[in-house]
Amino acid sequence: GDSVTQMEGPVTLSEEAFLTINCTYTATGYPSLFWYVQYPGEGLQLLLKATKADDKGSNKGFEATYRKETTSFHLEKGSVQVSDSAVYFCALSSMDTGRRALTFGSGTRLQVQP
Amino acid sequence: DTGVSQDPRHKITKRGQNVTFRCDPISEHNRLYWYRQTLGQGPEFLTYFQNEAQLEKSRLLSDRFSAERPKGSFSTLEIQRTEQGDSAMYLCASSWGQGQNTEAFFGQGTRLTVV
Repeated sequence: GDSVTQMEGPVTLSEEAFLTINCTYTATGYPSLFWYVQYPGEGLQLLLKATKADDKGSNKGFEATYRKETTSFHLEKGSVQVSDSAVYFCALSSMDTGRRALTFGSGTRLQVQP
Repeated sequence: DTGVSQDPRHKITKRGQNVTFRCDPISEHNRLYWYRQTLGQGPEFLTYFQNEAQLEKSRLLSDRFSAERPKGSFSTLEIQRTEQGDSAMYLCASSWGQGQNTEAFFGQGTRLTVV
């Protein structure tokens, strides 16, 4: 079945540092890929998405590129801020298996220190 | 529209009791999902509705769990004879469309504690 693997956290960075959160996936066919973010006390929010190979999703300074050859969708940001502290979830959606819901990774907690 | 709302936000119940949660999706959304999230894990899919039809159920959804979405509007998730292993955050999400690319909007969840 479909699965998503994320790097374990927490990831602790200083403000303005470069961020990479690794995400790899296993899926049948051609899934769509997503990054969701959960800020403290809030619900999950879509951060960015990519729907086909080589697409780059971007939002709020975050980027991720859909790499089919490596089955990866790593999240990057050039300069993190304290306000980026949150839990980040990589997810996929693939209708090839009939599944209409999202399959999530286990999440990576990011802590940004001033 | 204020987004997806869930009620209650927190529920503490004794083992063996029944509980029911409610989800109000974004009004024009035709799809509604229930997920369960335990500490340190990502959300796990439980069940999915398109309009009023329940089209998919996860193997995680034992026969103690039942979900409804009458008239394709709000949804309820009921857990009968709760067990301590049912303690988790129950998330509801909704979306619009038919394909796999549509954005799902999540509620803040209902945290269930079974004592």
